[in-house]
Amino acid sequence: GAVVSQHPSRVICKSGTSVKIECRSLDFQATTMFWYRQFPKKSLMLMATSNEGSKATYEQGVEKDKFLINHASLTLSTLTVTSAHPEDSSFYICSAKPRDRGQETQYFGPGTRLLVL
Amino acid sequence: AQSVTQLGSHVSVSEGALVLLRCNYSSSVPPYLFWYVQYPNQGLQLLLKYTTGATLVKGINGFEAEFKKSETSFHLTKPSAHMSDAAEYFCAFNTGGFKTIFGAGTRLFVKA
Repeated sequence: GAVVSQHPSRVICKSGTSVKIECRSLDFQATTMFWYRQFPKKSLMLMATSNEGSKATYEQGVEKDKFLINHASLTLSTLTVTSAHPEDSSFYICSAKPRDRGQETQYFGPGTRLLVL
Repeated sequence: AQSVTQLGSHVSVSEGALVLLRCNYSSSVPPYLFWYVQYPNQGLQLLLKYTTGATLVKGINGFEAEFKKSETSFHLTKPSAHMSDAAEYFCAFNTGGFKTIFGAGTRLFVKA
């Protein structure tokens, strides 16, 4: 149980295009989902927290117009990197908090590797 | 300020040797503490966590960690390293809210 999937696992795109990454909780309902960014050989940086049906809360320094987050249902959140540039290349990981668990519980997706050329 | 520090960005051990990965935290309120493992190009997998109760926590794959409040530490240990333990390990903590703070990570190398 408690499986989180991400799609796609890898994506290569041209500079200036937009890329959408999906995060799904497969066997539980997630009231809250988190999006992290991980630079090579670095730790995870929380980008934003999204609650189902409401606007995402972005961490300081994260451009909300650049990284659009939608959490339309209890099992799906999407991150759209708009007008991607090479510096947006990174490993993006989502996690999800089950609706019936404490706030400290989160399950991680396998990550999405984004390469912007 | 709340933070978590992992001592040593790289740790190398021989197969069969003790694994010790160090983690210290700074928090003004009692934390929930976690250790996660990440294999290359994969997400994070929870090894173990401390919330309340017994301070020695056992996790998967033979790992355990002990919460020492007086030392603000939560070091991860395993008596005997396997080659398959080679990975990146992250210590993290949460103070009951939504935000989990991660350490910088420690890469574990296991030599044959």
